[in-house]
Amino acid sequence: SSELTQDPAVSVALGQTVRITCQGDRLKNYYASWYQQKPGQAPVLVIYGKNKRPSGIPARFSGSSSGNTASLTITGAQAEDEGDYYCHCRDSSVYLPVVFGAGTKVTVL
Amino acid sequence: QVQLQQWGAGLLRPSETLSLTCAVYGGSFSGYYWNWIRQPPGKGLDWIGEINHRGVTKYKPSLESRVTISVDTSKNQFSLRVSSVTAADTAMYYCARTNSGGSFGDFYYYMDVWAKGTTVTVSS
Repeated sequence: SSELTQDPAVSVALGQTVRITCQGDRLKNYYASWYQQKPGQAPVLVIYGKNKRPSGIPARFSGSSSGNTASLTITGAQAEDEGDYYCHCRDSSVYLPVVFGAGTKVTVL
Repeated sequence: QVQLQQWGAGLLRPSETLSLTCAVYGGSFSGYYWNWIRQPPGKGLDWIGEINHRGVTKYKPSLESRVTISVDTSKNQFSLRVSSVTAADTAMYYCARTNSGGSFGDFYYYMDVWAKGTTVTVSS
């Protein structure tokens, strides 16, 4: 079982907003980072730290955190946002320092 | 712009040793953690382990007895070896860089650079 818990799948209408959540105790002390993966491709970082976006990631992607829950929000979802989204957290003080959530499949209707 | 390029054998027999290498181009090797991650067909991302430029390693506990990650700083490369492979080790294998930022009480890590991946199949 993953130490970070994500919903398996969510769907969103084109142009609407969707929130993906990630829960885990280590998120109380460290920010999660979020990755988008499309079929046959390597994961791509979309959000890290306190709501930071790498260069080239659209502003419709945003992140937030509260207690043991991290969230990724896509505001105005586009067809190209369809894919799998994984949260990740590194805590070097524990026996399993790096974990990924099991992933959330986002379908844009 | 930092790029990672990985290579290694893609087809193994059970009990053989998996060996992959990842080269870092266009950036510093020090100051980061360098990771191996795998993804079985149709499943999620599974962290295997990491190494820094000093050779300090951390492994996923359930794999630690079979996994070795090493570094060659003269070549800006790091490598993965997994011994005694079985069909359960069949997966896409990725190398990736862990970067960090923030300050005390507001620290964060993230994997900002990934290689394209290598498909490894274990079959008799």
